[in-house]
Amino acid sequence: DQQVKQNSPSLSVQEGRISILNCDYTNSMFDYFLWYKKYPAEGPTFLISISSIKDKNEDGRFTVFLNKSAKHLSLHIVPSQPGDSAVYFCAAKTSYDKVIFGPGTSLSVIP
Amino acid sequence: EAGVAQSPRYKIIEKRQSVAFWCNPISGHATLYWYQQILGQGPKLLIQFQNNGVVDDSQLPKDRFSAERLKGVDSTLKIQPAKLEDSAVYLCASSLGASGGETQYFGPGTRLLVL
Repeated sequence: DQQVKQNSPSLSVQEGRISILNCDYTNSMFDYFLWYKKYPAEGPTFLISISSIKDKNEDGRFTVFLNKSAKHLSLHIVPSQPGDSAVYFCAAKTSYDKVIFGPGTSLSVIP
Repeated sequence: EAGVAQSPRYKIIEKRQSVAFWCNPISGHATLYWYQQILGQGPKLLIQFQNNGVVDDSQLPKDRFSAERLKGVDSTLKIQPAKLEDSAVYLCASSLGASGGETQYFGPGTRLLVL
C-alpha cells in the first residue's frame, strides 16, 4: 500500500519559471511532511518540511503548501534554476512512526 | 563536519552469495537508519538504531538480512544469501536524536547488483 504518492514521475520547466511538485497521502495520522532532493550518485538531502498545524512554510525560493482536507501537499520552486534539476522525494510521518517516502519526481530545469 | 560515510559504493555479486555494507554516521548522531531504495521507488526503512539498540526493524527481511551497530557508532548491514530482488541502493542515514521532525542526513549509498 502506497501511503505517499507522487503521481508525476517527471517534470520539465523552463529556467526562471515556477516548478510545482505534487504529493498526495492516504494516512490521515501523518502530522509532519518533508521534501528531500537527490542528485545522481548522492544520497537525499533535506530541503524543507511542514508540520500539520501549518498550511504553508517558506524558505527562500522553496515553499511547501499543505492541504490537510485534500491530503495533498505541493512544493513550489520560484524561480527555477538549472541546479534544481534533481529527483524530489515527498515524505511523511506520524509523531511515533518512521518516515514514509514517495517514489519521487524527477525535475529537469531547462536553461 | 564530515557527512555520513558508506562503503563500498558499488557491489556486484551472484545470487546466493553474501554481502556486507558499512556505514559511519555523523559524529555525535545517536540514531542510525538503513534504507533500501529500489529503482523507481522511494527509500524504504529497513532498520533504525538508537545508540546500539534497535528501535524499528519491522521491514527487515530477517531470514536473510541482519544489521548491527556495535558501540553505538558504526554499523554493518549484511545480506545472506542474496536474491535477485535485493538489487537496490542501500542508504545509510543518521540523525542527532530520534524525536519527530529530526532531520536525517544520508550517505551516498551502496549500489548493489545481484546477478
